[in-house]
Order: sequence, then structure tokens, then C-alpha cells
Amino acid sequence: EAGVVQSPRYKIIEKKQPVAFWCNPISGHNTLYWYRQNLGQGPELLIRYENEEAVDDSQLPKDRFSAERLKGVDSTLKIQPAELGDSAVYLCASSGGGANTGELFFGEGSRLTVL
Amino acid sequence: DAKTTQPPSMDCAEGRAANLPCNHSTISGNEYVYWYRQIHSQGPQYIIHGLKNNETNEMASLIITEDRKSSTLILPHATLRDTAVYYCIVAGTASKLTFGTGTRLQVTL
Repeated sequence: EAGVVQSPRYKIIEKKQPVAFWCNPISGHNTLYWYRQNLGQGPELLIRYENEEAVDDSQLPKDRFSAERLKGVDSTLKIQPAELGDSAVYLCASSGGGANTGELFFGEGSRLTVL
Repeated sequence: DAKTTQPPSMDCAEGRAANLPCNHSTISGNEYVYWYRQIHSQGPQYIIHGLKNNETNEMASLIITEDRKSSTLILPHATLRDTAVYYCIVAGTASKLTFGTGTRLQVTL
């Protein structure tokens, strides 16, 4: 069974440019998460979807970040315009099978460098 | 969610047991203890979780003290591939995991 797939793995852009990351969760997983991980830090949650509904986006910087999960499957996270401080690894995760199986499945992440 | 305290780094000889401690003195009665690890350049990987009782699976054992204020993750026979950052997280549900900076475990020959 395929895991969580993310693309691109690496992206280098200049500040003020837009960038988008794509995530395909594990088939059948209703819950999808986007995390951001700064260098030397643990991941921090940006947004959580239950099917196509964003149920927790309190940590998403809404002035420049947006996300969508059309049809409750794939998801896209967009940054426009990017700032130097947005350089980080953006991780997507999915889970299914009830509220507390405890297990989130993470993708390998998309590493963003803003110059 | 309750905060956790972990040592920033630990070393372990290959083949020996790795015992990773975690303090969570403010844990609430309905909060679980979760352990994840992150190998370099990969996403975090779930290891184990528990509420009150000790838990064991094919990867590790989780020992939670009776007062639930601390726990220990045990890797019974550490290998080089266990070198990673290990995160101890306390949360009421896996949908609200807050990762700290974890413990960097280095397994050596």
C-alpha cells in the first residue's frame, strides 16, 4: 500500500513568489494534516481536514497561506507571496480508523527554501 | 495539552536497550502519551501510545509510571537504524499532537 505522497520534494524560490505543495493521503484516510517544521524544531500543525472540511486552521497564517482539499482526497497548500521566514519543511499526514488509533502517517515532506 | 520534558540527546550502543525518558507532570486524566520518531530527512513515524497501562508492540515498549507523570520508551535491542529524534507527546487525541524538540538518539557501534 502506498504511503502519503508529497510533491515537490524540494523547491527553491525567491521571496515574494508563490509556491504550492501537493499531498495525496493514504487511500481511505478521512483526516489530513499539514505541518510545518523549522530547522531544529518539531513539526507544528498548520491545518487539519476532516474529509473536505477544515476543522482546525487556527495556526494557519491566513494572510499568505491557503489550503484546500477538494473532494476530500488530495490537498494543496499554497503560500503567496513567500517570505524568507517561510523556509521550512512542509509535512502532510493522514489518519483514519477512528479518533484515537494514535497513528498519523506522514509523507517525506516538501523542503522549501526562500531566497 | 500537557507539556513534556525530554533530554536533548542520548547515546546508546548497538544491541543494547535504549531507554528514553519523558516527564509529563501536568498530564490530565484523559490524555494519552504518544511516541513518534523522525529519521533524518523523513517524516515522523508513529511508534506507540498508551493511557495508563504499559504497552508493547513490535517496535518498542512504553512504560508509564503509576502516577502517569513520566514514561519511558524502551527500544530493546537498538540498531544503527534507530538513530533518530524521538518525540514524546501528551494529548487527548492524535488529532492534536504538539511536537516539541524531542531527544536525539545516537546509536553507535
